[in-house]
Amino acid sequence: SQTIHQWPATLVQPVGSPLSLECTVEGTSNPNLYWYRQAAGRGLQLLFYSVGIGQISSEVPQNLSASRPQDRQFILSSKKLLLSDSGFYLCAWSVGNSNQPQHFGDGTRLSIL
Amino acid sequence: AQSVTQPDIHITVSEGASLELRCNYSYGATPYLFWYVQSPGQGLQLLLKYFSGDTLVQGIKGFEAEFKRSQSSFNLRKPSVHWSDAAEYFCAVASNNDMRFGAGTRLTVKP
Repeated sequence: SQTIHQWPATLVQPVGSPLSLECTVEGTSNPNLYWYRQAAGRGLQLLFYSVGIGQISSEVPQNLSASRPQDRQFILSSKKLLLSDSGFYLCAWSVGNSNQPQHFGDGTRLSIL
Repeated sequence: AQSVTQPDIHITVSEGASLELRCNYSYGATPYLFWYVQSPGQGLQLLLKYFSGDTLVQGIKGFEAEFKRSQSSFNLRKPSVHWSDAAEYFCAVASNNDMRFGAGTRLTVKP
């Protein structure tokens, strides 16, 4: 069966520090991968999605970037965190196109001090 | 523009009572429809989906949803709510490789 792992589960970082959140999927090949941010009391904002290794589409211009160095690995990064980067970050995968159900990891709670 | 609306931010129901969570969408083409549930501090879990066929779909945990094309709605229902159903519920709509999520409805269950 397929599984998705996100880590860390919780992260507290100072303003201006770098960021690296990792997401890996097991049990499937060539998945579509997604990064979302969920602000408190709000829905999901799609940040990046990827249909293959090295292929990244950005939905919202911002302080973050994403990379897909391997088929089932998706990394969310920042060189210098802002206070506004605080939130709950979710990784998801789907088989096929973005019309298909997405399956989510347990998320990373990021707090910027 | 494509959009998904969940009109109720927060709903409180008593345990054992019935539940209906509303979802309306605005899409040009026939969309694919989903409901997800999120427990605090966790990711989203797929409850059910509608692609085509029977407009009443059954999901996990005793949930069902009905697609009504004339009303552009995909409301989630459960006949008898359990305390463990307290969570945030998200409707999602996809069309042309574009999936959008509603802002969510938080469900509180009273004993």
